[in-house]
This record gives sequence, structure tokens and C-alpha cells, in this order.
Amino acid sequence: GAVVSQHPSWVICKSGTSVKIECRSLDFQATTMFWYRQFPKQSLMLMATSNEGSKATYEQGVEKDKFLINHASLTLSTLTVTSAHPEDSSFYICSALVGSSYEQYFGPGTRLTVT
Amino acid sequence: GQQLNQSPQSMFIQEGEDVSMNCTSSSIFNTWLWYKQDPGEGPVLLIALYKAGELTSNGRLTAQFGITRKDSFLNISASIPSDVGIYFCAGHRQGGKLIFGQGTELSVKP
Repeated sequence: GAVVSQHPSWVICKSGTSVKIECRSLDFQATTMFWYRQFPKQSLMLMATSNEGSKATYEQGVEKDKFLINHASLTLSTLTVTSAHPEDSSFYICSALVGSSYEQYFGPGTRLTVT
Repeated sequence: GQQLNQSPQSMFIQEGEDVSMNCTSSSIFNTWLWYKQDPGEGPVLLIALYKAGELTSNGRLTAQFGITRKDSFLNISASIPSDVGIYFCAGHRQGGKLIFGQGTELSVKP
């Protein structure tokens, strides 16, 4: 149980275009999901908390107009990187909270490369 | 952002050896979690700890929630090559958000 999927697993896009990444909870409902980014050899950096049916809460320093988050259902959250630039290239990972526990289950990640 | 102090940063061990890593914080946490991340993958939850002093095992893995609630350790016994990866501790205080350690990169020599 507690399986989280992400799509796509990798994407290459040109500078200035937008990219959407999907995060799905496959066998449970997730009221709360989280989006992280991770640079090589570094830890996970929380970008935002996504709550079903409400606006996402962004961490300090994360541009909400650039990283658009939508959590329209209990099993799907999306992250759209708008007007992507090479510095947005990173590994983006989502996670979901299971029930009332504090255990976060992570998706497999999406490798974004902006050329 | 705030991070936990995780050590060591990296370890090179021989297959069959035991491994120990730990995390410390200046703040109290309500929950400690340990994850393992393979290259190009998302972290996988290994062990969750909920009570101060709690000692929990998962196969060859054992983790403890420090009595002061400011630290936790993870032990791996009789390491095998598939234990290779990066291990992260994470602490939860409130609101569902986790704070992660810097990671311990484990290499196992057959």
C-alpha cells in the first residue's frame, strides 16, 4: 500500500516553455501532498504543501507564480513549471501523507532538464 | 531552510559489517523517520518512530528515537551490496512538514 506515482519520469524542454508534472496516490486518498526539489548530492528541499481543494502553501523563496500547484482531487496534485529556464533543471519529487499519520510516501521523482 | 545534522556524510564499508548513522537537532521533534534513496529514485520509508526512547526494527535495520527527542540513530547489521544508497533522517514537528538531514551516502564493498 501507500504507492505514489509521478509522470513523466523525465522531461526535456526548451527555455521559456512550461512543463506539468503529475503526482498521484494510487491506493489511498491524499488530502495533503508535498513538492520537493533536489539537486545532485543534496538533500530534499521542500517547495510547497499542496492541500486538496485549497491553495498551496509555498516555502519562503519559492515563486508561486512560477511553480503553479493544483490539487484538484484526493489522488492528484500537479506542479507546473512556467517559463522554465536552465536553472530550473532539477529532480522534482512529490510525496503524500497517509491518513492521519506523519509518514510521507514519495513518488519516484521527475528529472527536468531545461535547454 | 533548517536541516538536521546527520553524520557521517559518507561511509565506505565491507560487506557484512554493521553500519551506524545518526541525526541530531537543537529542537525537539515529535516523529523521526528514516528513508533510503537510490540514484534517480524517490526516497523510500524505512522506519518511523513516534515515541521518545522507542526502538524499532525492520529486518536488519534498527532505529531509535532519542530520549531527549532531539536525536535518532539508524543501525544496519550485516550489510549487503543492495544497502548501497543515501540514507536520510527526517523529523516532524507539526503541520505535516518534514525537515531532512543532509544524508549519509553508504557504499558497500563486496
